Amino acid sequence: GAVVSQHPSWVICKSGTSVKIECRSLDFQATTMFWYRQFPKQSLMLMATSNEGSKATYEQGVEKDKFLINHASLTLSTLTVTSAHPEDSSFYICSAPFVQGASGTEAFFGQGTRLTVV
Amino acid sequence: DAKTTQPPSMDCAEGRAANLPCNHSTISGNEYVYWYRQIHSQGPQYIIHGLKNNETNEMASLIITEDRKSSTLILPHATLRDTAVYYCIVRVYGGATNKLIFGTGTLLAVQP
Repeated sequence: GAVVSQHPSWVICKSGTSVKIECRSLDFQATTMFWYRQFPKQSLMLMATSNEGSKATYEQGVEKDKFLINHASLTLSTLTVTSAHPEDSSFYICSAPFVQGASGTEAFFGQGTRLTVV
Repeated sequence: DAKTTQPPSMDCAEGRAANLPCNHSTISGNEYVYWYRQIHSQGPQYIIHGLKNNETNEMASLIITEDRKSSTLILPHATLRDTAVYYCIVRVYGGATNKLIFGTGTLLAVQP
């Protein structure tokens, strides 16, 4: 199946600093990618839709100036958590849709990035 | 909001079939039922999807009721590695921009 890779797998940063997370589609192109956040023992919450060559679309309640999304190419989307605080500590996951021919379009997920803000 | 309801947890003995139910009573005619699973601290993994007919692949079988208001995911011979949270999602078929809205899922614990 298609592969989506996230980097880094985990990161620890100091409060007030910014952290960039990369999401790459390794063997296919993705004009759209999705970013999710997951707190411990909770489900995935969609944060935003990343659109190649245009602005990201954010879900209600997600601060766009806090979570900067850049989708500069057909294989790369980045999420930057700006001025991170301990409450931003979470598991961040990206996904990209992949056309499976006659089977339609499925979503493939990265392995996730564990962010800890201290 | 998620359009599905699932039991929060289930147990299954290793080697036995695991049957995971999902209610989606408000499903629309053009919406498919998708199943994903998430093993601890990993990204979700696609399992199977269907519209109205029962479906089977190398991982699982999907049984959808005739009125499409509920479905059951069947893992025929559960192993310890199948322990995960299983998510049932309804969404419009295809389309690169369709986003997935996750509910709370079912934590399946496969017991040795």
